[in-house]
Amino acid sequence: DVKVTQSSRYLVKRTGEKVFLECVQDMDHENMFWYRQDPGLGLRLIYFSYDVKMKEKGDIPEGYSVSREKKERFSLILESASTNQTSMYLCASGLREGFTEAFFGQGTRLTVV
Amino acid sequence: LAKTTQPISMDSYEGQEVNITCSHNNIATNDYITWYQQFPSQGPRFIIQGYKTKVTNEVASLFIPADRKSSTLSLPRVSLSDTAVYYCLVGLYNQGGKLIFGQGTELSVKP
Repeated sequence: DVKVTQSSRYLVKRTGEKVFLECVQDMDHENMFWYRQDPGLGLRLIYFSYDVKMKEKGDIPEGYSVSREKKERFSLILESASTNQTSMYLCASGLREGFTEAFFGQGTRLTVV
Repeated sequence: LAKTTQPISMDSYEGQEVNITCSHNNIATNDYITWYQQFPSQGPRFIIQGYKTKVTNEVASLFIPADRKSSTLSLPRVSLSDTAVYYCLVGLYNQGGKLIFGQGTELSVKP
């Protein structure tokens, strides 16, 4: 089975902290995605990566950056966490060629206080 | 990417067939239509994908009319465990690219 693993299920950080959310997939997928999910807003794409060191902005990249140094790992970075970044963060991966479906991790519920 | 429109919420009862329609008027010739299901506190999971006509798997059926400007996800004989949010996506996903979700349809199945 494809496995997408996010480093933390729950995380509490203070305003202004630099926060790293890690995601690892074990299926050699080229594509990886970071989303945030908030009540009433659905899933919103923050960043997308289609290869190592390659990235594209999604719909809401402000306040976030990403890093993909290895194919299996995609990190989301909150440079200076703010309370409006309190949310559920979901990572996903999928093939590039012949893409049919994305596989999601279990999510990280981040609270910024 | 083609924008999609779905009902925000739907109610149903156990044992009924549920049809969720998604509008995608600007769908491009090579775009595929994909549906995901999301349970509370979990990531979405793929249900079904199609290009035209009808696709059926063990979970659902997907009906796509000839003009492809809409699609209908059909869930036969729903149970309480089908209570979830259902997302319709349209795009050239078979060649990789951004995966954009809309707000989805919150389906509530009652006893």
